[in-house]
Amino acid sequence: KQEVTQIPAALSVPEGENLVLNCSFTDSAIYNLQWFRQDPGKGLTSLLLIQSSQREQTSGRLNASLDKSSGRSTLYIAASQPGDSATYLCAVRPRGAGSYQLTFGKGTKLSVIP
Amino acid sequence: NAGVTQTPKFRVLKTGQSMTLLCAQDMNHEYMYWYRQDPGMGLRLIHYSVGEGTTAKGEVPDGYNVSRLKKQNFLLGLESAAPSQTSVYFCASSYSKDRGYEQYFGPGTRLTVT
Repeated sequence: KQEVTQIPAALSVPEGENLVLNCSFTDSAIYNLQWFRQDPGKGLTSLLLIQSSQREQTSGRLNASLDKSSGRSTLYIAASQPGDSATYLCAVRPRGAGSYQLTFGKGTKLSVIP
Repeated sequence: NAGVTQTPKFRVLKTGQSMTLLCAQDMNHEYMYWYRQDPGMGLRLIHYSVGEGTTAKGEVPDGYNVSRLKKQNFLLGLESAAPSQTSVYFCASSYSKDRGYEQYFGPGTRLTVT
């Protein structure tokens, strides 16, 4: 059974710092990996989706990388801002049967201190 | 585009009562999903649909039923609510394979069963 782990569970950084969030998964037979942001009391917002054939995706100050063989993905946030404070979740979609079912990590709660 | 909308936003039920949660999307997505989010458990898939008139069980389907009579709507029903169903419920929809099944989430429904 696929397991997705995000460490640390919480992270606090000063404004302007570059930071990396980590996501690891146990089964490398994935179709793709998606990073989400969740603000308190809100739904999830899709940030980036990386297909299994890709190494990275970029959107503005965000860059996500994927190393399928080692079961790891990272989300890099450049020049962090207080508005980046939120919980960040990663989710993997398996390849093949049952490919509709995402497995989510429990998230990293990020606080950016002004 | 309103994206994915959910009604109601909040609901309190007594044990044994029934209710239906409504999800609507205006992105013409084929796939729709119902998740629940609980502290320490992360997001778990309840049921999903790969098209109008079709539904399938996810990871935690017991105690719930769903229907997809129209492509844009996905209903989640609780026939006899239990305190264990106290949770935040999220609906999502996604593009099909050509867009990597990228999922978009609604704002959530916070349900309390007393």
